[in-house]
Amino acid sequence: LAKTTQPISMDSYEGQEVNITCSHNNIATNDYITWYQQFPSQGPRFIIQGYKTKVTNEVASLFIPADRKSSTLSLPRVSLSDTAVYYCLVGDKGPAAGNKLTFGGGTRVLVKP
Amino acid sequence: KAGVTQTPRYLIKTRGQQVTLSCSPISGHRSVSWYQQTPGQGLQFLFEYFSETQRNKGNFPGRFSGRQFSNSRSEMNVSTLELGDSALYLCASSPGQEGEKLFFGSGTQLSVL
Repeated sequence: LAKTTQPISMDSYEGQEVNITCSHNNIATNDYITWYQQFPSQGPRFIIQGYKTKVTNEVASLFIPADRKSSTLSLPRVSLSDTAVYYCLVGDKGPAAGNKLTFGGGTRVLVKP
Repeated sequence: KAGVTQTPRYLIKTRGQQVTLSCSPISGHRSVSWYQQTPGQGLQFLFEYFSETQRNKGNFPGRFSGRQFSNSRSEMNVSTLELGDSALYLCASSPGQEGEKLFFGSGTQLSVL
């Protein structure tokens, strides 16, 4: 499984856009990039998943450059409730992968009023 | 649809005891994974069950075991508890055979005294 590197923490203010970049230099051809969000004393919650270019859903956008060695999670107009830890994961989505996820340290995002 | 349910929510045990944690996946989900989360080690994969068979296993000692029943409900057992086993134990479920997104429960907070 590809190792990921992301900033330990980030501060932002309400209404701003938050961009978290994750490095995954040894990403494999079959690997997908997935982001999870975790609040204290809760389990992680799936945010978004992508393979290349750009993916957007109602919560976030995921930008993946052509070389796929990094990815950026973009949270538009954050609110205080977006304060959480965000995890970037890279792994095979195929049948052989099962559901073994490797979580890194995550990025602790603090949204201030 | 009800989410992933873990019981109990909190548990206090003493060293040397054993403990059993329970997880009820989302209806229709056949894969159940278990993770341990501690402040020092972060989120670590324990094992995954699919159709009552262990499909993936993490790097934990044999004191950690699990099983899955025909209704997909899963239990995790830790024998001969150590102080270092104090952690948030998270269960996650997913629909099928691919490494798709996981749905996590709120976890069981285990304290070993």
